[in-house]
Amino acid sequence: EVQLVESGGGLMQPGGSLRLSCAASGFTVRTHYMSWVRQAPGKGLEWVSVIYTGGGSYYADSVKGRLTISKDTVKNTLYLQMNSLRVEDTAVYYCARVLGSVRIDYWGQGTLVTVSS
Amino acid sequence: NFLLTQPHSVSESPGKTVTISCTRSSGSIASNSVQWYQQRPGSSPTTVIYEYFQRPSGVPDRFSGSIDSSSNSASLSISGLQTEDEADYYCQSYDSDSWVFGGGTHLTVL
Repeated sequence: EVQLVESGGGLMQPGGSLRLSCAASGFTVRTHYMSWVRQAPGKGLEWVSVIYTGGGSYYADSVKGRLTISKDTVKNTLYLQMNSLRVEDTAVYYCARVLGSVRIDYWGQGTLVTVSS
Repeated sequence: NFLLTQPHSVSESPGKTVTISCTRSSGSIASNSVQWYQQRPGSSPTTVIYEYFQRPSGVPDRFSGSIDSSSNSASLSISGLQTEDEADYYCQSYDSDSWVFGGGTHLTVL
C-alpha cells in the first residue's frame, strides 16, 4: 500500500528555516517524480515544487531561491528545505507522488507550517 | 505562465448533473493535459479525472471530463449528484516544468 507521511511542520518566525520530511512506503521515490503542494488556510491548492527521477527540480516563482526540494533514496524520503520564511508561506504542505510526470496519484495527509511573529 | 480560471462555487440538487469549467488564460488547453482533484473538508485531495477524461479506478462513472478547444477550457461533469459529492474541486495543468492549479470550485449539493 502506498503511503506518504509528512512531518516537520510547526510555528516559525519570519526569516527562519524549517525542513519538512515525507516518508514514503509501498513504492520507491527513486523511480517516481515527487512534488510538494501547499494550501494556505481557507485557500486553494498551490503547486510548490517537483523533483524528477534524475534529480532535476523546478519551483513556483513564489518560492524560488528560498525553498529546496530533495530526496534520499536510501531513506525513501522526500524533503523540503524552507529558508527565509515569510508570513505568506503559512500553509498545509502536502507531499505527493506524481504519475506519468503530470498528475498526482497519491497525497500525504499534510503538515501545517505557520509563520508568524 | 498561465492561469486556470474556475467558477468560485456551484450548487445543484441531488440526482441532477453539474458541470464545472476550467479556462486556460494563454496557450492551448489541448497542449497539456488537465487533471481534476476532489477535496472534501478536512481531507487531502484525491484524483477524480486525469488526462482530460480518464477516471482512476474506484472513481464512479458519474464523473466525466471533457475539453472544448473553442473556449480553451476543460470541464468536469458529475451526474446523479449525491450529497457525498459536496466538496471543493480543482483543475490542474502544466507548462514548461511548471504546474498550475485552478482556484477551486466549491460544489454544494442541496
